[in-house]
Amino acid sequence: DVKVTQSSRYLVKRTGEKVFLECVQDMDHENMFWYRQDPGLGLRLIYFSYDVKMKEKGDIPEGYSVSREKKERFSLILESASTNQTSMYLCASSPPGQGRGYYTFGSGTRLTVV
Amino acid sequence: QQQVKQSPQSLIVQKGGISIINCAYENTAFDYFPWYQQFPGKGPALLIAIRPDVSEKKEGRFTISFNKSAKQFSLHIMDSQPGDSATYFCAVINTGTASKLTFGTGTRLQVTL
Repeated sequence: DVKVTQSSRYLVKRTGEKVFLECVQDMDHENMFWYRQDPGLGLRLIYFSYDVKMKEKGDIPEGYSVSREKKERFSLILESASTNQTSMYLCASSPPGQGRGYYTFGSGTRLTVV
Repeated sequence: QQQVKQSPQSLIVQKGGISIINCAYENTAFDYFPWYQQFPGKGPALLIAIRPDVSEKKEGRFTISFNKSAKQFSLHIMDSQPGDSATYFCAVINTGTASKLTFGTGTRLQVTL
C-alpha cells in the first residue's frame, strides 16, 4: 500500500512564524499535492508538483510556498503564519498517466496559528 | 468557475436506507470520476471510481451511476450503516491532459440507528 506520511498531526504556531509542513510518500509517485480543508469549503488546492523541483500554483497559493528537492518529499511553507491559515492541511500523491486520479492522502496536519 | 457541483451538502439517512449523493460536471473531456470517503480525523481515501464507457459500477453496497448525456454521476450507498457516516467527495479529471483532480465541495453523511 502507498503510504503518505505527514510529519505532524497537530501543530500550534504563533503569528509571524515561518512554518514547515513535511510530507513523504513511499511509492515513487510523480505527482504530489497540498490541500487545505475548512468546514463548508471542501478541499482547496494550494500547490502541486509533478516532478522534482517543479511546482504549480493551485487555487489558493497566496501566503504559501513549496519545495520539492527529492521525489518522495514535498514541503509546504507558510512564510509568515497568520490566523487565517489555521486549518487542516492534507498532502496527497498520485502516479502518472491513467493513474493520475488515484490519490493517496496523508492523515493531515491540523495547524492552529495563535 | 466551478467545474463540478455536488449535492446535497449534508444528508441524514436511517440505518438500512439508501444514501444518494449527486455530482454534475461541465467539461466533456473528463475521463475519470472517482468518489473519495473521509472519516473524521483522517485523509480522504478512494472509495470507488468509474470511467465514461460504462453507465454503472458496483462494489459491494456502493454503486456509481453515470449519465454521460446529462453530465451527471451519483453515488448510491445501499443498506446504509452507521459506519458509513463520513464526508464524501466526488471528483473529476482528464487523465490525458491534467495532473490534478477537481473535487466537489463534499457531502457530510450521517447514518442514524
